[in-house]
Amino acid sequence: GENVEQHPSTLSVQEGDSAVIKCTYSDSASNYFPWYKQELGKRPQLIIDIRSNVGEKKDQRIAVTLNKTAKHFSLHITETQPEDSAVYFCAAPTGAGSYQLTFGKGTKLSVIP
Amino acid sequence: DTEVTQTPKHLVMGMTNKKSLKCEQHMGHRAMYWYKQKAKKPPELMFVYSYEKLSINESVPSRFSPECPNSSLLNLHLHALQPEDSALYLCASSQDQGGGNPYEQYFGPGTRLTVT
Repeated sequence: GENVEQHPSTLSVQEGDSAVIKCTYSDSASNYFPWYKQELGKRPQLIIDIRSNVGEKKDQRIAVTLNKTAKHFSLHITETQPEDSAVYFCAAPTGAGSYQLTFGKGTKLSVIP
Repeated sequence: DTEVTQTPKHLVMGMTNKKSLKCEQHMGHRAMYWYKQKAKKPPELMFVYSYEKLSINESVPSRFSPECPNSSLLNLHLHALQPEDSALYLCASSQDQGGGNPYEQYFGPGTRLTVT
């Protein structure tokens, strides 16, 4: 099955700076990589995802990059704002024949005003 | 409608009680999930329903009993729970493989369960 490792576990940045969170995965057949944002007491919310046929995807201040050769993908948040403070989870499909996602352990991002 | 709803938001129950959690979605998704989430941890998959049939049961104790009455509804029946079962219970849904990306999951707001 898939193994997803996420780093760092905590990240503090000044407002306006950029934040980068990295995940590695083990199954070279994995082809879909979502990122979820979970604010305190709220649901995980899908914020961006990428399929294995592209190397980068952007949506306003957030972007995801994928390196299939190295089997890692990253979330980039530019011009961070206090409302970006949350726990971010990366994920990858658990394996063929199931709809499961394997989640990383999460990164707690704190944006300091 | 791109929302998954869950009731109740909060639930406190004793170890001898029987209660049910409910989840509803009207996005036409044919896969539905129950997750358990402890504080500061990622969601942990419990059950997967595909076309109203249980397809995955991640070795969950029998005190948790899922039910999918129709394609829009998912229930989780609780009986004789333990204090360590206290957690946030999340429901999610996604398109079935035939209709879209089955891995693109949308979560409900969760039920915060406390077992006393």
